[in-house]
Amino acid sequence: KNQVEQSPQSLIILEGKNCTLQCNYTVSPFSNLRWYKQDTGRGPVSLTIMTFSENTKSNGRYTATLDADTKQSSLHITASQLSDSASYICVVSNSARQLTFGSGTQLTVLP
Amino acid sequence: AAGVIQSPRHLIKEKRETATLKCYPIPRHDTVYWYQQGPGQDPQFLISFYEKMQSDKGSIPDRFSAQQFSDYHSELNMSSLELGDSALYFCASSFLGVSGVWNEQFFGPGTRLTVL
Repeated sequence: KNQVEQSPQSLIILEGKNCTLQCNYTVSPFSNLRWYKQDTGRGPVSLTIMTFSENTKSNGRYTATLDADTKQSSLHITASQLSDSASYICVVSNSARQLTFGSGTQLTVLP
Repeated sequence: AAGVIQSPRHLIKEKRETATLKCYPIPRHDTVYWYQQGPGQDPQFLISFYEKMQSDKGSIPDRFSAQQFSDYHSELNMSSLELGDSALYFCASSFLGVSGVWNEQFFGPGTRLTVL
């Protein structure tokens, strides 16, 4: 069964600090992995998409890594801002374009 | 840049009524996906269309139907609404790249459906 597990479930950090979110998956055959940011009541916004051959990809203060061997990904946020408070969702796609969503990490950035 | 447009943004219906949600994909995107997200839950894939043909089907109830039109917009029709249908309904769009791989999905802002 395809599964995506994220940790931690929730995280509280102070503004300006860095944090790392984790995603483990058992989706096969793997096609790509995406990180989304979802504000409450709004649609998910894509941060990065990574294919099998990519190890790391950056988008501003967001850096995603992928280890296809261990089936793990991480999202590192540097110099956090209050606007980073949101749910961060890891989504893995298989070759049939079926998406499996993780439950998300709820990040709260405090001033 | 143009994004996925969904209408209406909010909808209130009573049990057993019908509802129609609309989705306008990003220009030149040929694939549309529908998701249902209940309170505190992950988005659940309902159905998708590629070039106006149904391409994948997820956990869409028989009471729901959808289609994609010639201008690539899509409509999700929901009949005999139940209280449990209250949720955020997201539409996402993508396009088939030259490599034969679908590119990432871009999500719309969602339609919040409340069934009373």
